Amino acid sequence: AQSVAQPEDQVNVAEGNPLTVKCTYSVSGNPYLFWYVQYPNRGLQFLLKYITGDNLVKGSYGFEAEFNKSQTSFHLKKPSALVSDSALYFCAVRPPSGNTPLVFGKGTRLSVIA
Amino acid sequence: NAGVTQTPKFRVLKTGQSMTLLCAQDMNHEYMYWYRQDPGMGLRLIHYSVGEGTTAKGEVPDGYNVSRLKKQNFLLGLESAAPSQTSVYFCASSSDSTSGGETQYFGPGTRLLVL
Repeated sequence: AQSVAQPEDQVNVAEGNPLTVKCTYSVSGNPYLFWYVQYPNRGLQFLLKYITGDNLVKGSYGFEAEFNKSQTSFHLKKPSALVSDSALYFCAVRPPSGNTPLVFGKGTRLSVIA
Repeated sequence: NAGVTQTPKFRVLKTGQSMTLLCAQDMNHEYMYWYRQDPGMGLRLIHYSVGEGTTAKGEVPDGYNVSRLKKQNFLLGLESAAPSQTSVYFCASSSDSTSGGETQYFGPGTRLLVL
């Protein structure tokens, strides 16, 4: 069965510094990988996804993620963090066997400090 | 284009009461999902539907029932609410795709408190 691990419950970073939110996955075959963001009292918003092709995926709000097959990772990155990036971030995976529901990680809370 | 909407936004129930959560989408999506979000647990899939008239169990289906009588609506029912069902419930939808790369779109959530 597929699974996603987000090893950090909380990430703190100073405004202007680069940020990384980690995600590793376990799935048979080539995965479809997603990142979502949740602001307080809101639903999840799609940030970016990896389906195939270039391992570096660019998404909304200046975020990007790098698919690393050998390390089974899909870390979310941003070169310069903003206070407004503070939110809960979820990594999700779907196996390549049809349109099955996403499996989500437990989430990482990002706090950007001014 | 409202996307995915959920009704109600907040509800308080007493143990043993029943209620129905309504999810509606206007994107003509085939697939719809119900998740619950609990602190430290992430999102867990309750039930989902791959088309009108179909439903399937997810990771945590016990205590819940669903119906998809119309393509645009997906209802989540609690027949006899328990305090363990206190949670935030999210509905999502996605289009049909054999490639599997379709994005799921989420509603704003329903906060349920069972006393």
